[in-house]
Amino acid sequence: QKEVEQNSGPLSVPEGAIASLNCTYSDRGSQSFFWYRQYSGKSPELIMFIYSNGDKEDGRFTAQLNKASQYVSLLIRDSQPSDSATYLCAVIYNQGGKLIFGQGTELSVKP
Amino acid sequence: EPEVTQTPSHQVTQMGQEVILRCVPISNHLYFYWYRQILGQKVEFLVSFYNNEISEKSEIFDDQFSVERPDGSNFTLKIRSTKLEDSAMYFCASSERGYTGELFFGEGSRLTVL
Repeated sequence: QKEVEQNSGPLSVPEGAIASLNCTYSDRGSQSFFWYRQYSGKSPELIMFIYSNGDKEDGRFTAQLNKASQYVSLLIRDSQPSDSATYLCAVIYNQGGKLIFGQGTELSVKP
Repeated sequence: EPEVTQTPSHQVTQMGQEVILRCVPISNHLYFYWYRQILGQKVEFLVSFYNNEISEKSEIFDDQFSVERPDGSNFTLKIRSTKLEDSAMYFCASSERGYTGELFFGEGSRLTVL
């Protein structure tokens, strides 16, 4: 059973701080890793993807991947109240595009 | 900007009734998916569809579920005899290249089974 684990939170950070979201996955065969954002009652929206070990930066977001530790993280710099949402970690295992999602971490950014 | 559209946005049905949820994927995408999310729970994979056939399905996707691409634009999910536990948000998604995982989700169809 392939699993993706996240701390459900809520994670509360003050506006302007760095929010750190973490995710672990069970299958070493995992190929690609994704962070989706989901506002309450809305659909998931892709924020970032990462395929290789190390860091990948996109604006205020940095994804970090450590395949040896089976660990993925997302850093959000200069957090804004509009970043308040549930962040879903997702992993893809095969060529067909099937994503396995974690349960999500709820982030609350306080003004 | 191209988007995935889903109809209806909300459907209420009686247990045992058939339901069809409709999706129009992004036009140049080749891979199509249905996911569902029970309230408060994780997003779960149901089925993937490529080249007019199912490429993978989960254990949730039993004989009461079916998918179809009846024409060049629509992608449908049919639930033949709904159960209370089918109440969930159903998301359609599409991708240009399946292996990249860059899925674009529709806004979802909320199904309530009474």
